[in-house]
Amino acid sequence: KAGVTQTPRYLIKTRGQQVTLSCSPISGHRSVSWYQQTPGQGLQFLFEYFSETQRNKGNFPGRFSGRQFSNSRSEMNVSTLELGDSALYLCASSLTGQEYEQYFGPGTRLTVT
Amino acid sequence: TQLLEQSPQFLSIQEGENLTVYCNSSSVFSSLQWYRQEPGEGPVLLVTVVTGGEVKKLKRLTFQFGDARKDSSLHITAAQPGDTGLYLCGGSNYKLTFGKGTLLTVNP
Repeated sequence: KAGVTQTPRYLIKTRGQQVTLSCSPISGHRSVSWYQQTPGQGLQFLFEYFSETQRNKGNFPGRFSGRQFSNSRSEMNVSTLELGDSALYLCASSLTGQEYEQYFGPGTRLTVT
Repeated sequence: TQLLEQSPQFLSIQEGENLTVYCNSSSVFSSLQWYRQEPGEGPVLLVTVVTGGEVKKLKRLTFQFGDARKDSSLHITAAQPGDTGLYLCGGSNYKLTFGKGTLLTVNP
């Protein structure tokens, strides 16, 4: 079974721009979560989607948004990029009822200059 | 606010040595997961522990969940360079919480 895939793997953007990241979960996984990982803050939860609905949300500003499609694929968008948004963005999927076990993709490394 | 504290933050050892890393919280978790993350990749799930006092072994790795389900430890026997990586613990009850990890380097 194929793992979680994320595109693109690397991205360089300029302050003020917006970016969209994509995630395809493991087949059969309906829950998709997004995380931001930085050396200083560690792994921070952004939001979780299940059946095209946002089920949980972390403490991030409204510039961070996401959506999920009917095939469980998910996208996250960051508008008006700031230097501090530079991070590894990880997507994880999980089986229904076993959301505590996260299966992570390789991540998208976003650099904001 | 639920917090998971991992210690040590950094650990550098020689091949063949044993080591233990810790994951502690003041909160009770219904389950706890350990992940290993290699540079440039996402975390990979190693194990889930659910029952207080539970011990699970994965080859040279031994995971223990505290009796009160507030803490966990990971012991590696005869560490190898391939064990190098960031070890993360994650706890769950009504939401998921992750520690900041222990960065392990095993030198040949």
